[in-house]
Amino acid sequence: ETVMTQSPATLSVSPGERATLSCRASQSVSSNLAWYQQKPGQTPRLLIYGASTRATGIPAKFSGSGSGTEFTLTISSLQSEDFAVYYCQQYYSWPEAFGQGTKVEIK
Amino acid sequence: EVQLVESGGGLVQPGGSLRLSCSASGFTFSFYAMHWVRQVPGKGLEHVSTISSNGGNTYYADSVKGRFTISRDNLKNTLYLHMSSLRAEDTAVYYCVKGSIAGAGGYFDYWGQGTLVTVSS
Repeated sequence: ETVMTQSPATLSVSPGERATLSCRASQSVSSNLAWYQQKPGQTPRLLIYGASTRATGIPAKFSGSGSGTEFTLTISSLQSEDFAVYYCQQYYSWPEAFGQGTKVEIK
Repeated sequence: EVQLVESGGGLVQPGGSLRLSCSASGFTFSFYAMHWVRQVPGKGLEHVSTISSNGGNTYYADSVKGRFTISRDNLKNTLYLHMSSLRAEDTAVYYCVKGSIAGAGGYFDYWGQGTLVTVSS
């Protein structure tokens, strides 16, 4: 079973700054990596799949990179609507495990 | 527009059973794998179960194996999760999720609003 580890657990960022979130897989998942955003009281939303492809309707301020075991989600110029919890997920093998999440909060 | 609407959640005693349903619309249901993901309020996401597009392959997390059964009715565009021998640790919001491909191994592109299951005496 592949374990996904996200860091940091909480990231404090000022509006307008850039946020960089990390996700590490315990074994290679190739590029089968997705990122989701969950705002308080809302359902998770797909942001990125294939490690770097933005889902439909996702703005270019969200970008993903990496392959194998190391992945990064970058959010440029954070606005109020971007403060949320972000989860990575591998879908290379079942169970398609999620990381524990990174909370991006206002500094 | 893809819509996934869960129902069937509620309060159940430990050891009891419950069946969740998910009504799907806005896409060709029979083409895609479907998943159940749960989330304890305030905690992270746990992938519970997967069923392939034709129902021929099913997968379960170790935490629910032998107690939960996933199924689907492609004529009714409905996904189910039958839960038995429920425990307090099964208390969570259960999300119905559409997969991106016919089998396991795809990302999760659409999520329902979730239904809360509370296991308590």
